[in-house]
Amino acid sequence: GAVVSQHPSWVICKSGTSVKIECRSLDFQATTMFWYRQFPKQSLMLMATSNEGSKATYEQGVEKDKFLINHASLTLSTLTVTSAHPEDSSFYICSAASGHEQYFGPGTRLTVT
Amino acid sequence: SQELEQSPQSLIVQEGKNLTINCTSSKTLYGLYWYKQKYGEGLIFLMMLQKGGEEKSHEKITAKLDEKKQQSSLHITASQPSHAGIYLCGADKRNYGQNFVFGPGTRLSVLP
Repeated sequence: GAVVSQHPSWVICKSGTSVKIECRSLDFQATTMFWYRQFPKQSLMLMATSNEGSKATYEQGVEKDKFLINHASLTLSTLTVTSAHPEDSSFYICSAASGHEQYFGPGTRLTVT
Repeated sequence: SQELEQSPQSLIVQEGKNLTINCTSSKTLYGLYWYKQKYGEGLIFLMMLQKGGEEKSHEKITAKLDEKKQQSSLHITASQPSHAGIYLCGADKRNYGQNFVFGPGTRLSVLP
């Protein structure tokens, strides 16, 4: 089946620094990738939809300048959390769409100290 | 925006018992997805339903989509501790998986 990877799987950073998370579709091309975040004991919340070669579409309430998304190729999308704060600590998951299916990455746990 | 509701919010059952989780949409669903998740782990895709009245099964899990395509149920037969986790329904806002929304999830615990 289709595989989506994320890197890193976990990261700890200091407040005020930026962190980049990569999402790769390993065996298929994904014109659309999605970024989610999840807080403890809560459902996934869609942050943005990333289309290859165009600007990402952000969900209401998600700061575009804080969560920078780049979808440079059909197999790679990146999420950069800029000027991270402790409240940005969360579990970030990406998914890649292939036809009707969405394939999810294993997630990245971000802790901001 | 399309909203999904799930019931119950949480469920505790004895091993071997059957259970049902419901997902309701205020709008017609283009596609309805069921996922299982343990917190902090990636989602496990269970199945997708598209047609009204459609029913799919995988091992001991059966999912149905009603004729109006506004409600789906997930039924687990003879539950096992391995079934424990958070079950999420998800739906397309538009066709072909573009813009996706999730229900709030149902937390299932199975007591041995």
